Amino acid sequence: EPEVTQTPSHQVTQMGQEVILRCVPISNHLYFYWYRQILGQKVEFLVSFYNNEISEKSEIFDDQFSVERPDGSNFTLKIRSTKLEDSAMYFCASNSGGNQPQHFGDGTRLSIL
Amino acid sequence: EDQVTQSPEALRLQEGESSSLNCSYTVSGLRGLFWYRQDPGKGPEFLFTLYSAGEEKEKERLKATLTKKESFLHITAPKPEDSATYLCAVANSGGYQKVTFGTGTKLQVIP
Repeated sequence: EPEVTQTPSHQVTQMGQEVILRCVPISNHLYFYWYRQILGQKVEFLVSFYNNEISEKSEIFDDQFSVERPDGSNFTLKIRSTKLEDSAMYFCASNSGGNQPQHFGDGTRLSIL
Repeated sequence: EDQVTQSPEALRLQEGESSSLNCSYTVSGLRGLFWYRQDPGKGPEFLFTLYSAGEEKEKERLKATLTKKESFLHITAPKPEDSATYLCAVANSGGYQKVTFGTGTKLQVIP
């Protein structure tokens, strides 16, 4: 069964540094998403991406964040000038749109020191 | 703003002891309600989608139902491998693709 893959599984970064999280969505999906989950809290929406542009973003997704689909298979989340409060699990998801469920990867655990 | 409230926060069952998890939601127009299972250190794993009140879906020991205000996930004769956090999420019909999650119910099934 096709799945969403994310790399790395764990990223440790010094505060103030830039980090790029990578995702390979399911190949025939058209919509891509990033969510985050702070330890012990709920999964929160960050951004959705369709047709090479952001279709929706939350208040969390400020100028510190950016997304890109650099080629036909990868989808990335860049966080500039990381802060301690950026420490969380970051999940990538994809679907074919409409009412279809989103399928999630196993996440990248981001630890900011 | 869409809201999802799940109860109880945690549930401990003996193997074989059936129970139900509750998901109450507020959404401007429901496009879909989703149930996911999340194991520790893993991403949410899709279980069911429900679209309209009265709809039911089943998979093995799990059955999901939907009303206009709530959804229930019924677990019949659970086994220890059913232990996980069960997440409820909603998508509204406003043309947007994001889903809003609840905080989940952590289920522990004891042999």
